[in-house]
Amino acid sequence: KAGVTQTPRYLIKTRGQQVTLSCSPISGHRSVSWYQQTPGQGLQFLFEYFSETQRNKGNFPGRFSGRQFSNSRSEMNVSTLELGDSALYLCASSLGTTGSLKQDGYTFGSGTRLTVV
Amino acid sequence: QKEVEQDPGPLSVPEGAIVSLNCTYSNSAFQYFMWYRQYSRKGPELLMYTYSSGNKEDGRFTAQVDKSSKYISLFIRDSQPSDSATYLCAMSGQGGKLIFGQGTELSVKP
Repeated sequence: KAGVTQTPRYLIKTRGQQVTLSCSPISGHRSVSWYQQTPGQGLQFLFEYFSETQRNKGNFPGRFSGRQFSNSRSEMNVSTLELGDSALYLCASSLGTTGSLKQDGYTFGSGTRLTVV
Repeated sequence: QKEVEQDPGPLSVPEGAIVSLNCTYSNSAFQYFMWYRQYSRKGPELLMYTYSSGNKEDGRFTAQVDKSSKYISLFIRDSQPSDSATYLCAMSGQGGKLIFGQGTELSVKP
């Protein structure tokens, strides 16, 4: 089956701009989570969406936002980009129900590497 | 103190060695435990998944969870150069938010 697809793979933006990243989960998965990965902080949770509703949120400023569509595809938006936002942004999908977590875990995409200059 | 602690390494072993990777955690609410492998410039790949305590084996990989000690381990038997990667432990309570360790960089030398 097709995996988690993230687009674009690479992105270069200048400070102050905004950016939108896209994630298509595995077919049938209803939960999409976003993570930021940097060499210094490692993988940090941004937020999770399930059935178009934000279910969990990490400790990131309001410049980071997201949404999920009825087909479970998700987008993440970062406004007023800062140099420190340069990172690999990863999307993970899962079936999303508590029972399914006992079986499946989370599957990650290859990420979008964002460079802010 | 971080919720999940993992020795970043790097760890270098000869081909065929048994590798032991470990994480400790502080949150007793964690009940889902995962190990991911990440190659350079790729997303994390789920290797092992354990719910609650116990052992799980899959080929050359064995995952152990000791909730009483708040300690999880991943063992790799007969390690291969293709196992060279960063290994990340991750855990979750009711789900929806994974807390990751810093990752251990492993190098298996031929």
